Amino acid sequence: GAGVSQSPSNKVTEKGKDVELRCDPISGHTALYWYRQSLGQGLEFLIYFQGNSAPDKSGLPSDRFSAERTGGSVSTLTIQRTQQEDSAVYLCASSQNAYEQYFGPGTRLTVT
Amino acid sequence: RKEVEQDPGPFNVPEGATVAFNCTYSNSASQSFFWYRQDCRKEPKLLMSVYSSGNEDGRFTAQLNRASQYISLLIRDSKLSDSATYLCVVREASGTYKYIFGTGTRLKVLA
Repeated sequence: GAGVSQSPSNKVTEKGKDVELRCDPISGHTALYWYRQSLGQGLEFLIYFQGNSAPDKSGLPSDRFSAERTGGSVSTLTIQRTQQEDSAVYLCASSQNAYEQYFGPGTRLTVT
Repeated sequence: RKEVEQDPGPFNVPEGATVAFNCTYSNSASQSFFWYRQDCRKEPKLLMSVYSSGNEDGRFTAQLNRASQYISLLIRDSKLSDSATYLCVVREASGTYKYIFGTGTRLKVLA
């Protein structure tokens, strides 16, 4: 079946521009996560959505970052006024039962 | 102190060797524990969960020591295809679905 998909796969943007990253989770998965991974680093938790509960935004690094999940399915991560330190791979994952997380291929963001 | 700590390696081992990785976590209320594998420039994938009694899956054995707050992964009879980064993952606590990833331990199995 279809796995987690993310778009775009690569994004190059100029410093100061806004970007939107999209995640399509596996159908029926109630939990959705966003992480970012800088070169040679581990995964940094950003935010997660679980069903209809309020999202846990505790990992968002600044108020330039926001995310929403519409209809319990697709999610969009928005970064406003991008900075060079935002350059990273942004990974989305979904989960059915708070057990295994299935990751998408990621969006590689480069801020020039 | 990081919430989940791992030796970054790299561990370079010959084919057929046995290799062990450890991971420590800081939150004693942590509930669930996992090992994920990440190949170069790929997304992480679940390798195995870690149960309190220890568990085995083929050549892989995972152990949990709650008293000392560490988790281990043992790989026996290493294969070239085991070369990857192994991520230790901890679910924060009951009532949350937040997972904390370690920075990973890099393994290279040499022919």
